[in-house]
Amino acid sequence: QQQVKQSPQSLIVQKGGISIINCAYENTAFDYFPWYQQFPGKGPALLIAIRPDVSEKKEGRFTISFNKSAKQFSLHIMDSQPGDSATYFCAASKAGNTGKLIFGQGTTLQVKP
Amino acid sequence: GAGVSQSPSNKVTEKGKDVELRCDPISGHTALYWYRQRLGQGLEFLIYFQGNSAPDKSGLPSDRFSAERTGESVSTLTIQRTQQEDSAVYLCASSLGRVKQGPSYGYTFGSGTRLTVV
Repeated sequence: QQQVKQSPQSLIVQKGGISIINCAYENTAFDYFPWYQQFPGKGPALLIAIRPDVSEKKEGRFTISFNKSAKQFSLHIMDSQPGDSATYFCAASKAGNTGKLIFGQGTTLQVKP
Repeated sequence: GAGVSQSPSNKVTEKGKDVELRCDPISGHTALYWYRQRLGQGLEFLIYFQGNSAPDKSGLPSDRFSAERTGESVSTLTIQRTQQEDSAVYLCASSLGRVKQGPSYGYTFGSGTRLTVV
């Protein structure tokens, strides 16, 4: 069962543009939503995360928007740069110490110079 | 150590052989996770260890897969009688655990072991 659905599968953006990646979840028990960035040959690295008590979180050029009623959240990359070219994964986990993350299918972002 | 270390980084094996993948988590990290990443796909949860608690094996795809962890240190993932469908990158991650780490909770991943079954 796909618990976290991510779109689009791939994305091409011009340098300076805004990259937007969307995720939808099904399980209302999820209460923590991180985004991971993965470069080729490397493991994913935590980029930014949000909890459902806020609707938006911003860190530098990266912003998460969260819509609890729609069970959707998205990553916005402002002023996209070629160095942002990577695969991005959304994820979700339930309350409790397990912390097991359920990942989306990933979005490959290419930022053209 | 400074990060999560996985070995080998690449492994090519013949169909039907057994393989063992190793993960050295960050020192002090009580939680350890194994994920599988097939080409162009997301991360598929395999197994989770937390301290001395019973592991969560709910993601293991078949009884050919098993994993062990010694205390809060090294973990090994073993795949018996490998099949071509097992070809993937196997990622290990560790964390302090969600309660201890609080709002900044997240995993630290290793670079993975790329397994190719021929």
